Amino acid sequence: QSVLTQPPSASGTPGQRVTISCSGSNSNIGSKSVYWYQHVPGTAPKLLIYRDNQRPSGVPDRFSGSKSGTSASLVISGLRSEDETDYYCAAWDDSRSGYVFGPGTRVTVL
Amino acid sequence: QVQLVQSGAEVKKPGASVKVSCRTSGYTLINYAMHWVRLAPGQGFEWMGWVTAGKSNTRYSQSFQGRLTISRDTSANTVYMDLSSLRSEDTAVYYCARGPVRDGYIDGFDFWGQGTMVTVSS
Repeated sequence: QSVLTQPPSASGTPGQRVTISCSGSNSNIGSKSVYWYQHVPGTAPKLLIYRDNQRPSGVPDRFSGSKSGTSASLVISGLRSEDETDYYCAAWDDSRSGYVFGPGTRVTVL
Repeated sequence: QVQLVQSGAEVKKPGASVKVSCRTSGYTLINYAMHWVRLAPGQGFEWMGWVTAGKSNTRYSQSFQGRLTISRDTSANTVYMDLSSLRSEDTAVYYCARGPVRDGYIDGFDFWGQGTMVTVSS
């Protein structure tokens, strides 16, 4: 069972806004930065958001991250067909002394 | 540009060991920590451990203590992951991932290898 909790799926039509939640505890999200990764199965994962809300260069600004307390969110604004894939949140966990991932959310573009 | 190129797929029997390599280019290996992460079928990503920048210290997830060795060959710009006493549950895609370690915790993985499939089967 994952330390971080994500919904298994999310969906939207092209152009819509989709929000993916990530819930944790004080030992991870509540005290450490949150990271979001996009993973197309069979390829290398890609860092989308680091330190809660920062975008690496090259990541479109329609991807945004936020955090409040022990929960975080990834928002995809202006959903596009190429956004249909898996998204994972992650954070350092002090109680486990390790980096933990959420179970992933599969985004479907309807 | 930064590239991480991993060695090819492996098939191992239970109890055996596997060594996966990750050859880096486009940056100075000793300036960044390198991590290993795996993705098992039907499971989520699992962080395994790291080798630090600079002095090549290692740190392993409690889940792999005693079975995992991460090493680095700076002359070959390559990092290695050696996992022993393999069992069927170790069947997974293994990734190397570059990521800074700040104040003792991981600050994200900015570049990843393409993944290496390791199958453990009798």
